[in-house]
Amino acid sequence: GAGVSQSPSNKVTEKGKDVELRCDPISGHTALYWYRQSLGQGLEFLIYFQGNSAPDKSGLPSDRFSAERTGGSVSTLTIQRTQQEDSAVYLCASSLRTSGYQETQYFGPGTRLLVL
Amino acid sequence: AQKVTQAQTEISVVEKEDVTLDCVYETRDTTYYLFWYKQPPSGELVFLIRRNSFDEQNEISGRYSWNFQKSTSSFNFTITASQVVDSAVYFCALSAPAGSARQLTFGSGTQLTVLP
Repeated sequence: GAGVSQSPSNKVTEKGKDVELRCDPISGHTALYWYRQSLGQGLEFLIYFQGNSAPDKSGLPSDRFSAERTGGSVSTLTIQRTQQEDSAVYLCASSLRTSGYQETQYFGPGTRLLVL
Repeated sequence: AQKVTQAQTEISVVEKEDVTLDCVYETRDTTYYLFWYKQPPSGELVFLIRRNSFDEQNEISGRYSWNFQKSTSSFNFTITASQVVDSAVYFCALSAPAGSARQLTFGSGTQLTVLP
């Protein structure tokens, strides 16, 4: 079946602009995760969703970052007033569920964001 | 707090050699899960294996094998008879049921280069 898909695959933006990154999880997966991969910080957890709710937003680096998920499926990560330090690869993952058992997270190809 | 250490930043071997990638983890949880992911040059994280803390059996899958030792908090990964296609960054990751979060804590990764 289809894996996790993300769009756009690459995004170049100017400092101060807002960007939206999209993630479409594997069909039937109720849990969705966002991570960021950058040279200096490695792979960092940002936020996860169980259904449409986000129990843990503590990984978001600043209030310029927000995410939503509607219909228990597609998720959008929004970065407002982008800064050069936001340049990174943003990875999305999904898993069948989170409660009671640790399911394997399957990752998408990522969105490579470059802030000029 | 959870932590994953991959002390080997880069490893280079010649094709057909065996290679072991080290992973040491820290967690206070008694129930946890360990993972290995492969990230080829294309960038997508590919799931390789998941182990839970109650299962210390070693596992073999083709040329891949994993050695889980709770006594030393290690989860090492061995590739037998390495091939050029094995060249990638390999990440070890840990997940523990701390609160409601199920995010993965990743090591910094080991860049494996297999030379022909």
